[in-house]
Amino acid sequence: SYVLTQPPSVSVAPGQTATITCGGNHIGSKSVHWYQQRPGQAPVLVVYDDSDRPSGIPQRFSGSNSENTATLTINRVEAGDEADYYCQVWDSNNDQVVFGGGTKLTVL
Amino acid sequence: QLQLQESGPGLVRPSETLSLTCTLSGASIRSDNYYWAWIRQPPGKGLEWIGHIYSSGHTYYKSSLMSRVTISVDTSKTQFSLGLRSVTAADAAVYYCARLTYRGSSYDFFDSWGQGTLVTVSS
Repeated sequence: SYVLTQPPSVSVAPGQTATITCGGNHIGSKSVHWYQQRPGQAPVLVVYDDSDRPSGIPQRFSGSNSENTATLTINRVEAGDEADYYCQVWDSNNDQVVFGGGTKLTVL
Repeated sequence: QLQLQESGPGLVRPSETLSLTCTLSGASIRSDNYYWAWIRQPPGKGLEWIGHIYSSGHTYYKSSLMSRVTISVDTSKTQFSLGLRSVTAADAAVYYCARLTYRGSSYDFFDSWGQGTLVTVSS
């Protein structure tokens, strides 16, 4: 089965840039989607198709995907960005949705 | 504006069947480009996809849960449901229903989520 690997935690100071990675075998050939989950809340889609943003998501959120790593980048991090972030793909070889293990973003 | 609302018992006994329903408002369950999904999250852990269903009844299930899961749809009630048999403590989680975008050859992203419902497994 397809596996997505995320770092358990990332810490960043306010105003700096947070980078969250999502590793997978040839993930660059897949569409990667990212979710933000604040404590006690349902996940929210923040990036889809590697780098597109749903309406209402700030431009500070961006994504990229190449070879074996997809990346979510949050510029000018704010306290409100503190949350868990999950990457997700469709594993077409096995007809399964796959989530990464999640990364806890801490704003120092 | 689509809204999804989970409902069902918050407590299920071990070995019994967990049954949840998701009710839609603000959108049609028959929409061409969407499937309807269940996702769960054990306390303190990550997201786990359970499965999804089209309005026609076509389903996909997580391989490791396939023997115990049934997802069904009731288009007249704008609802879809989850049944998980023979539950154990490992099935305790917040259960979310969500809308999954489908674009012909790929099942893509979850763009709308319910608020989630906590299910505890205990005798």
